[in-house]
Amino acid sequence: NAGVMQNPRHLVRRRGQEARLRCSPMKGHSHVYWYRQLPEEGLKFMVYLQKENIIDESGMPKERFSAEFPKEGPSILRIQQVVRGDSAAYFCASSPRGYRSGNTIYFGEGSWLTVV
Amino acid sequence: EDQVTQSPEALRLQEGESSSLNCSYTVSGLRGLFWYRQDPGKGPEFLFTLYSAGEEKEKERLKATLTKKESFLHITAPKPEDSATYLCAVQASLGAGGTSYGKLTFGQGTILTVHP
Repeated sequence: NAGVMQNPRHLVRRRGQEARLRCSPMKGHSHVYWYRQLPEEGLKFMVYLQKENIIDESGMPKERFSAEFPKEGPSILRIQQVVRGDSAAYFCASSPRGYRSGNTIYFGEGSWLTVV
Repeated sequence: EDQVTQSPEALRLQEGESSSLNCSYTVSGLRGLFWYRQDPGKGPEFLFTLYSAGEEKEKERLKATLTKKESFLHITAPKPEDSATYLCAVQASLGAGGTSYGKLTFGQGTILTVHP
């Protein structure tokens, strides 16, 4: 877990504000995934990115949520105009390669978002 | 749609009392089945990846096995420090059309408590 770095670990936002969550993948990893864990629910896939590319965003809510993984710097999950239902743990994961070859997906420690 | 069901939802064991956790799955072509351990307030910690029916992997007191429909996580002589939520997830093979299947579909988890 220590290899995938997420910040902030805890974030409190008022309704209507923006939340930005950052993720630096493990060294040598070029594939990043974001998952959300709502209270009393399992981990749900949100988005899969490679550098400068969104590969699969089938789990992303249609509005207010966006993700990027620029050529330089961490991956960012951005939530605009947060609502109380966005309160959750957001986990970033990374892998050295995509699905085409055997790979292990490692998770970070998570960012806990609380909307008040 | 890929589905993962874990049972039991919660399991209480005495220290040294061996048992098994079950993960049943349906997936459109299995690329890999993953087991993770998650402690409260932490991210999922990778344990195993299994790729084909009949495969087995071991790590300390844990042993994971895989059939075409389910996976078992066997815990031999557990200790209190094995207490955690154990998560199972499947990764589907690449489908027609080139859509990425890098994502994992998780079960709800089994909460394991080992009493001294």
